[in-house]
Amino acid sequence: GENVEQHPSTLSVQEGDSAVIKCTYSDSASNYFPWYKQELGKRPQLIIDIRSNVGEKKDQRIAVTLNKTAKHFSLHITETQPEDSAVYFCAAPYNNNDMRFGAGTRLTVKP
Amino acid sequence: DTEVTQTPKHLVMGMTNKKSLKCEQHMGHRAMYWYKQKAKKPPELMFVYSYEKLSINESVPSRFSPECPNSSLLNLHLHALQPEDSALYLCASSQVPAGITYEQYFGPGTRLTVT
Repeated sequence: GENVEQHPSTLSVQEGDSAVIKCTYSDSASNYFPWYKQELGKRPQLIIDIRSNVGEKKDQRIAVTLNKTAKHFSLHITETQPEDSAVYFCAAPYNNNDMRFGAGTRLTVKP
Repeated sequence: DTEVTQTPKHLVMGMTNKKSLKCEQHMGHRAMYWYKQKAKKPPELMFVYSYEKLSINESVPSRFSPECPNSSLLNLHLHALQPEDSALYLCASSQVPAGITYEQYFGPGTRLTVT
C-alpha cells in the first residue's frame, strides 16, 4: 500500500539466524500495527501485533518494536526455522477506517 | 469457533456470468471486510461493513456488489467481470466496527479466474 513502506522485499537467511523486516507508515494517528504471515496458497495469519501505547512486544521467537516518533515498526524473528519461510506483511490503519498493507517480504530460511 | 469460512474455494467464470462469493463467521464480530489480492501483492481493501452497514467502499467498480444479510454473513456479487479481476478474494472479520484496531481474522479466500 502506498501509505506503508516495507523493506526488504526479499530476505534469505540461514537456519538459526535472525531476520528483521521494517515498515514505515504515514498516518500519525495510526495506533495498531499487525504483522501477517502468508504461506503459499494460504490465508494471511496474524503472528503478532502492537498498539501504540507500548514500544515492544515479544512472543517466543517473534518480537515487534515500534517507534511512533519515527513512524516505523519492525518484525524480529530469532532462531529462524525453515517453516518460517513465507511472505510477511506489515499493516497500519489509515484514516482510522482503512487498513493498508506493506508490499510484503518474502523470507526464505535455508536449512 | 475462531474461523472465517468462504465458498467456493475456486471459481471460474466468463465475462457475462453472474456469480456470488460467500463468507461466514460465528465469532460475534460486527465488522466484515472484502479484500482483493493479486499474485505476489498485498491484500487491497475493497469494502467494510460495520453492524451490517456498508461503511467503506474503496472506489470499487460497480461490477462488484457487496451484501451483508446479517451479522454472520457477507456476500460479494459479481457481474460482467473482466479478466484483470482474476485474483484471490479474501474475507475478514474483526470485533470492532468502523475501526481497524483489532485483529482481523481472514478466511481462506476464493480464487477467482475470469475467462
